[in-house]
Amino acid sequence: EAQVTQNPRYLITVTGKKLTVTCSQNMNHEYMSWYRQDPGLGLRQIYYSMNVEVTDKGDVPEGYKVSRKEKRNFPLILESPSPNQTSLYFCASTSVPGLVNEQFFGPGTRLTVL
Amino acid sequence: GDSVTQMEGPVTLSEEAFLTINCTYTATGYPSLFWYVQYPGEGLQLLLKATKADDKGSNKGFEATYRKETTSFHLEKGSVQVSDSAVYFCALRYGQNFVFGPGTRLSVLP
Repeated sequence: EAQVTQNPRYLITVTGKKLTVTCSQNMNHEYMSWYRQDPGLGLRQIYYSMNVEVTDKGDVPEGYKVSRKEKRNFPLILESPSPNQTSLYFCASTSVPGLVNEQFFGPGTRLTVL
Repeated sequence: GDSVTQMEGPVTLSEEAFLTINCTYTATGYPSLFWYVQYPGEGLQLLLKATKADDKGSNKGFEATYRKETTSFHLEKGSVQVSDSAVYFCALRYGQNFVFGPGTRLSVLP
């Protein structure tokens, strides 16, 4: 089954404790991205990657890091989380050729930073 | 830059009512257009899409037509069900640029 998986689905942590949210896709997609969803603000892109070792900032990259060492994985790293990073996070992927296809979304990770 | 505007709602309808959620966009070229649906506690799922002017996307009784002249992609359904209660996002893709609208929450009452 074609899918995007994220782990963990729920995470409660404390300010300053480094964490990683994993994202993996099994569709051989070149493009992967991370979004955060907040009430009243919709979806905002954090980072995206067009292929292995190629990453770029989205609209709200401050406080986040990413890496793309393998095509299927795109982890999101919060090195020193703060309460304003409490949010619902989604990973997504799509193919590059043709430039018309939709993104496939993971189930989301609800993060609470105390 | 590219942008998507949609009615934010919330929209509350009775079962079997007609649904329209308006979506307009601005883009430098000719983007692909999408409607996504997010059910409670889940990620976004593609509902329908259109990749060129005058294309009509349809799925599960929902329809939307890509109108280049009015830069619109309004979502319609003739008879909504309680199970259609969700948040609906209009979105565009132009090259590697993806832009989402703010989402419209729909509640359908029995």
